Amino acid sequence: QKEVEQNSGPLSVPEGAIASLNCTYSDRGSQSFFWYRQYSGKSPELIMSIYSNGDKEDGRFTAQLNKASQYVSLLIRDSQPSDSATYLCAVIDAGNNRKLIWGLGTSLAVNP
Amino acid sequence: DTAVSQTPKYLVTQMGNDKSIKCEQNLGHDTMYWYKQDSKKFLKIMFSYNNKELIINETVPNRFSPKSPDKAHLNLHINSLELGDSAVYFCASSQRAGTGGYYGYTFGSGTRLTVV
Repeated sequence: QKEVEQNSGPLSVPEGAIASLNCTYSDRGSQSFFWYRQYSGKSPELIMSIYSNGDKEDGRFTAQLNKASQYVSLLIRDSQPSDSATYLCAVIDAGNNRKLIWGLGTSLAVNP
Repeated sequence: DTAVSQTPKYLVTQMGNDKSIKCEQNLGHDTMYWYKQDSKKFLKIMFSYNNKELIINETVPNRFSPKSPDKAHLNLHINSLELGDSAVYFCASSQRAGTGGYYGYTFGSGTRLTVV
């Protein structure tokens, strides 16, 4: 059974701090990795995709990928209360690249 | 201009009824999906179509039947609704990348189905 694991949280950080969200996956052949943000009552929204080992930065967001350790993380710098949401990690199924394997999400609360 | 639109947004119906949810995307993507998100917030894939061809059909009761008249539309029909079908149903679309993988999905706003 292929799995994506995330700490459900809640992860609570003060405004302006760095929020660090982590995800591990079991499918060693996976090549594509995604972070989605889901506000309560809303649909998931793609915020980062990463395909190669290392860091990828986009504004206040940095995704980090380590395929050897089967680990992908999301850093949010200068966290804002508007970042409070559930962050979902998703990984392409190497056996069926049309399919995403989803984590259960980490709930982030940024306190003013 | 909404990229992935679903209708209706809310659906309240009695057990045993039949209902449909419609989805349309104007992104030019070649693949569309139906997902179910239950009360525990887990996203579970149900079906996927690529250019009108069914490519993913997860273990879903056969009361659920998808239909894709063209690559921009994907509908979901549910027969004999049960209490356990209450959930949020999301439509999504994506485009195949040149490397053989897929770019990230774009989700519709969801249909909240409540069966009473």
